[in-house]
Amino acid sequence: GDSVTQMEGPVTLSEEAFLTINCTYTATGYPSLFWYVQYPGEGLQLLLKATKADDKGSNKGFEATYRKETTSFHLEKGSVQVSDSAVYFCASFSSGSARQLTFGSGTQLTVLP
Amino acid sequence: GAGVSQSPSNKVTEKGKDVELRCDPISGHTALYWYRQSLGQGLEFLIYFQGNSAPDKSGLPSDRFSAERTGGSVSTLTIQRTQQEDSAVYLCASSSISGYEQFFGPGTRLTVL
Repeated sequence: GDSVTQMEGPVTLSEEAFLTINCTYTATGYPSLFWYVQYPGEGLQLLLKATKADDKGSNKGFEATYRKETTSFHLEKGSVQVSDSAVYFCASFSSGSARQLTFGSGTQLTVLP
Repeated sequence: GAGVSQSPSNKVTEKGKDVELRCDPISGHTALYWYRQSLGQGLEFLIYFQGNSAPDKSGLPSDRFSAERTGGSVSTLTIQRTQQEDSAVYLCASSSISGYEQFFGPGTRLTVL
């Protein structure tokens, strides 16, 4: 089955720092890839997505590019804010018989003022 | 009512009791998913419905867990004879027939004493 490996946390950055959270996947075929964010006390929200190789997903200043050659979907933001403090989950979805999201373990990000 | 709703938001129960968790998906979404989020286990897939049918029950951890969906809408996850290891946040998500973009509810936090 699919699996997603995500950079271990927690990650602590100062405001305006550059953020990278690494994510790699294994799957049969070509899954769709997602980043979800979970703010304190809230549910999962879709942050961005990419459905095929070389697609770039972007939202709220975050970006991730679907790299088939390295089976990666790293999350980046050029300048983080305190309000970005949350847990970030990388996930894959393969539209075969097992129609489920496979999640990474999550990365806790704390941004200090 | 734009989003996925879940009830109750919190449930505290005693070991051995049965619990029912409810999910109301986004109107018109034919696919519905249950996941569990627990410390140490991350986000785990439990079950998937397409309409009222559950073609994939592979994630249910034991026969104490069951789920149903009626009228292609509301779903109920039932846990019988609860155990302390069932303590977790139970998340519901729904999607359109294409399936790959899932929208999550706020979750039900279950605590088994």
